[in-house]
Amino acid sequence: EAQVTQNPRYLITVTGKKLTVTCSQNMNHEYMSWYRQDPGLGLRQIYYSMNVEVTDKGDVPEGYKVSRKEKRNFPLILESPSPNQTSLYFCASKPTGSNQPQHFGDGTRLSIL
Amino acid sequence: QQQVKQSPQSLIVQKGGISIINCAYENTAFDYFPWYQQFPGKGPALLIAIRPDVSEKKEGRFTISFNKSAKQFSLHIMDSQPGDSATYFCAASMDAGNNRKLIWGLGTSLAVNP
Repeated sequence: EAQVTQNPRYLITVTGKKLTVTCSQNMNHEYMSWYRQDPGLGLRQIYYSMNVEVTDKGDVPEGYKVSRKEKRNFPLILESPSPNQTSLYFCASKPTGSNQPQHFGDGTRLSIL
Repeated sequence: QQQVKQSPQSLIVQKGGISIINCAYENTAFDYFPWYQQFPGKGPALLIAIRPDVSEKKEGRFTISFNKSAKQFSLHIMDSQPGDSATYFCAASMDAGNNRKLIWGLGTSLAVNP
């Protein structure tokens, strides 16, 4: 089954404790992206990657890091999480080419206390 | 600055009724307008999309109407069903170098009463 898998689905942690949210896709997609979804603010892009070893900032990259060492994986790293990073996070992937639909994971709900 | 404005924020419709969600955009360089549907606990999924050279696109009970001169597009859900209860996002995109970026509306929470 074609899917984007995020782990963990839920996490409660404390300020300053480094965490990583993993994202893996099995569709051989070149493009991957991270979004955060907040009430009243919709979906905002954090980082994206056009292919292996190619990453770039989205609209709200502050406080986040990503890496793309393998095509299928695109982890989101919060080096020193803060309460304002409490949010619902989505990973997405799509093939290259114009207007290909993005395939989203089921989300990771992070609470930073 | 919200480049894609979506309304209403929430919508309640009776089963069998028509649900209408509207979006307006500012940038005339946008050339692709998808709608995504999101159920609770799930990520958004592409529902239907349109390009600006077409004024209407229909897929089953879902129709996009596009008004290029007014820079507006809307989603119509005919014969709305309780299973259509979800959050709907409109979006717009254009070529931006390597990142064909989606600009998202803020979403509409649709509830269809049985």
